[in-house]
Amino acid sequence: EADIYQTPRYLVIGTGKKITLECSQTMGHDKMYWYQQDPGMELHLIHYSYGVNSTEKGDLSSESTVSRIRTEHFPLTLESARPSHTSQYLCASSEYQGGGLNTEAFFGQGTRLTVV
Amino acid sequence: SQQGEEDPQALSIQEGENATMNCSYKTSINNLQWYRQNSGRGLVHLILIRSNEREKHSGRLRVTLDTSKKSSSLLITASRAADTASYFCATVPTGTASKLTFGTGTRLQVTL
Repeated sequence: EADIYQTPRYLVIGTGKKITLECSQTMGHDKMYWYQQDPGMELHLIHYSYGVNSTEKGDLSSESTVSRIRTEHFPLTLESARPSHTSQYLCASSEYQGGGLNTEAFFGQGTRLTVV
Repeated sequence: SQQGEEDPQALSIQEGENATMNCSYKTSINNLQWYRQNSGRGLVHLILIRSNEREKHSGRLRVTLDTSKKSSSLLITASRAADTASYFCATVPTGTASKLTFGTGTRLQVTL
């Protein structure tokens, strides 16, 4: 059982609202990721982090922002939600071994966001 | 654009048959990983193969890697209905250190 948690699991919110999706892990992993996935579709990397105070944008342009103030916490924020933001958001973390090597990533259960 | 593409996009087989999924990627990699996703849930790691390995086994799973062709395959032997899921390959391109990028996925349906 992976020790990575996302809240909420489901969120229905009105257009224009500010939302924050929470992601926490207790494994002490330096690397964390946010992916966006439409049902039955591929995962798109939208943000990732090497460690505290480091964040990078992924391959898919996103209006969301992230922060990494603590190792265990990697929240994603949408300042003004729109219907086009409706999707599933998956958070993951992994341990960095150095030398460019990577270990397996552990995923949370996801947050399914609907903007009406 | 996505680093990896998988084929087929969807595969339907009967229980007991073998399932083979292929993944192609675009850039040099340090390792390649395969993940499984049950409907609407998070992904679960299945197996990791390093760039200097050609084949790896784990239970009923067999993964091959051909870095010259930038491709990998996942074979599930003696499939079961419980193997029904989407399967994704994932890579970290050399030099990016942290950018774990997923392929397009193969949806596997195993029927009784």
